[in-house]
Amino acid sequence: TQLLEQSPQFLSIQEGENLTVYCNSSSVFSSLQWYRQEPGEGPVLLVTVVTGGEVKKLKRLTFQFGDARKDSSLHITAAQPGDTGLYLCAGARDSGYALNFGKGTSLLVTP
Amino acid sequence: AAGVIQSPRHLIKEKRETATLKCYPIPRHDTVYWYQQGPGQDPQFLISFYEKMQSDKGSIPDRFSAQQFSDYHSELNMSSLELGDSALYFCASSPPSLISNLQETQYFGPGTRLLVL
Repeated sequence: TQLLEQSPQFLSIQEGENLTVYCNSSSVFSSLQWYRQEPGEGPVLLVTVVTGGEVKKLKRLTFQFGDARKDSSLHITAAQPGDTGLYLCAGARDSGYALNFGKGTSLLVTP
Repeated sequence: AAGVIQSPRHLIKEKRETATLKCYPIPRHDTVYWYQQGPGQDPQFLISFYEKMQSDKGSIPDRFSAQQFSDYHSELNMSSLELGDSALYFCASSPPSLISNLQETQYFGPGTRLLVL
């Protein structure tokens, strides 16, 4: 069973557009992490959110953790071709425990 | 900054052979995790170790075993390899609570690509 449902699975947009990726679960997580992964490479950490309602910004990327710590979103403003990649959300129950990953959102930004 | 190191980066084995993957965590990180990622799949958790003791176990086959050593590096031993074991294997590490309030954050290595023929 997939604990984290990520949507959309695929997204193709033009440069300059905004987009939001969603990560939803019926389970509560103590923290949620967003990664970006290039083909054949390891996931690269973008952000960790731990507090319900928390909002973190990383340049044009805005991450939000739901109040109940069951869901999260990633919003990209004015997308650029360099944002193209696979975005993965992953939730942790506690330190030392498995990360449960979403299926990922494959983003393509065309010039 | 130092990252997680994995070796080898690529490995080709035949069915029924054995393989050993190595992981060197980020310095001062005390927890290591192993994940398996098949083509087009999200990473699946195998096993984790904290202070050389197993802390969590996922879908690791009985043919696989792992351990963490006193210098915190970890090895994943895979025996009786099957075609279906072909995948990317990632190691991740996380810091202790003493140096980070985000000790659940896992930092991934570049992975070992295993191909079983």
